[in-house]
Amino acid sequence: AQSVAQPEDQVNVAEGNPLTVKCTYSVSGNPYLFWYVQYPNRGLQFLLKYITGDNLVKGSYGFEAEFNKSQTSFHLKKPSALVSDSALYFCADYGGSARQLTFGSGTQLTVLP
Amino acid sequence: GAVVSQHPSWVICKSGTSVKIECRSLDFQATTMFWYRQFPKQSLMLMATSNEGSKATYEQGVEKDKFLINHASLTLSTLTVTSAHPEDSSFYICSAKTESSYNSPLHFGNGTRLTVT
Repeated sequence: AQSVAQPEDQVNVAEGNPLTVKCTYSVSGNPYLFWYVQYPNRGLQFLLKYITGDNLVKGSYGFEAEFNKSQTSFHLKKPSALVSDSALYFCADYGGSARQLTFGSGTQLTVLP
Repeated sequence: GAVVSQHPSWVICKSGTSVKIECRSLDFQATTMFWYRQFPKQSLMLMATSNEGSKATYEQGVEKDKFLINHASLTLSTLTVTSAHPEDSSFYICSAKTESSYNSPLHFGNGTRLTVT
């Protein structure tokens, strides 16, 4: 079965610095990978997805993610963090014939002014 | 586009009462909606998949008689927490897809914070 892992519960970064939120996936067929963001007491917002094609995927709000097959990773990145980027980020995967989206445990990103 | 509206955003109820949560797709038709539960600082747990015009599919360990799901139209699914108890207090989130393909993104409602006293 496909699954994703987010090794960091918390990531802190200074405003203006680049940010990375890590995600790795287990290998079982072709991964379909997503990133979502959740602000306090809100639902999740879709940021970007990787299905096939270019390994570098660009998404909403200046975020991008790089699919790395050799490292089985799909890290979320942004060149210059904003305080407003502070939120809970979830990596997710639809694996092969799976009928549901499986979420990682989430990473709380805090951008310090 | 692809707006999912969830109501109410928060509700407080007494133990033993029932609470209904609505999930509407405002600008698209959703044959399938998903109900999630989220505990503080934790990930989302899929509770059930709601299918328009048919019975919902519940995940293992979710009591179908306690969490009643009705998907009577292509734009509305409801989750009723029956005989609520304090341990049912949680954040409930619904979602839907605009496309039937399994790799299309989910669109989420803003969630409902349920507190059972």
